[in-house]
Amino acid sequence: NAGVTQTPKFQVLKTGQSMTLQCAQDMNHEYMSWYRQDPGMGLRLIHYSVGAGITDQGEVPNGYNVSRSTTEDFPLRLLSAAPSQTSVYFCASSYNGHTEAFFGQGTRLTVV
Amino acid sequence: GQQVMQIPQYQHVQEGEDFTTYCNSSTTLSNIQWYKQRPGGHPVFLIQLVKSGEVKKQKRLTFQFGEAKKNSSLHITATQTTDVGTYFCAGIHNNNDMRFGAGTRLTVKP
Repeated sequence: NAGVTQTPKFQVLKTGQSMTLQCAQDMNHEYMSWYRQDPGMGLRLIHYSVGAGITDQGEVPNGYNVSRSTTEDFPLRLLSAAPSQTSVYFCASSYNGHTEAFFGQGTRLTVV
Repeated sequence: GQQVMQIPQYQHVQEGEDFTTYCNSSTTLSNIQWYKQRPGGHPVFLIQLVKSGEVKKQKRLTFQFGEAKKNSSLHITATQTTDVGTYFCAGIHNNNDMRFGAGTRLTVKP
């Protein structure tokens, strides 16, 4: 049982480039979410989804897009990377958003 | 907005000393969860508290949820070097979004 799988683990982008962070879970969880983690600021919610076809904005959604075409996958897209988006990104899933969240291993993104 | 404040930001203790971290929400929570993140790792679920005034224990760890469901605490008795890491609370509101506190980074001197 793989749990939550994030790819890539590390990425360096140039300002203005776009990329997609992949997230997949094999636990049939309805709820998935993306967080960014910056020193001293904990985990901040970017976007979340309560099921396939449904997404909503979290605390810090600007500069990021998401889609949820299947239950398993919840990719995060950076449309035009900025240095302020340098961070560690975590994807998480849970049964319904009110239960234990399982986190991926994280993606360390650097924008230069 | 729905904020969750956590203090202290850092705590350094001698092995064997106790440790406590506190979380406060600006609004009433549906429930609260606690996570531990080891250095370089990802957050790992510890426990969930749902009921007003609830107290739960896991060996040396004691978790409390306030009567108004707006505050919570995690207390570790007699810390060990294996307790090192950052402890996060996560408040879940009725609209399904989970807001994390900033975390308390615990270091333990042997």
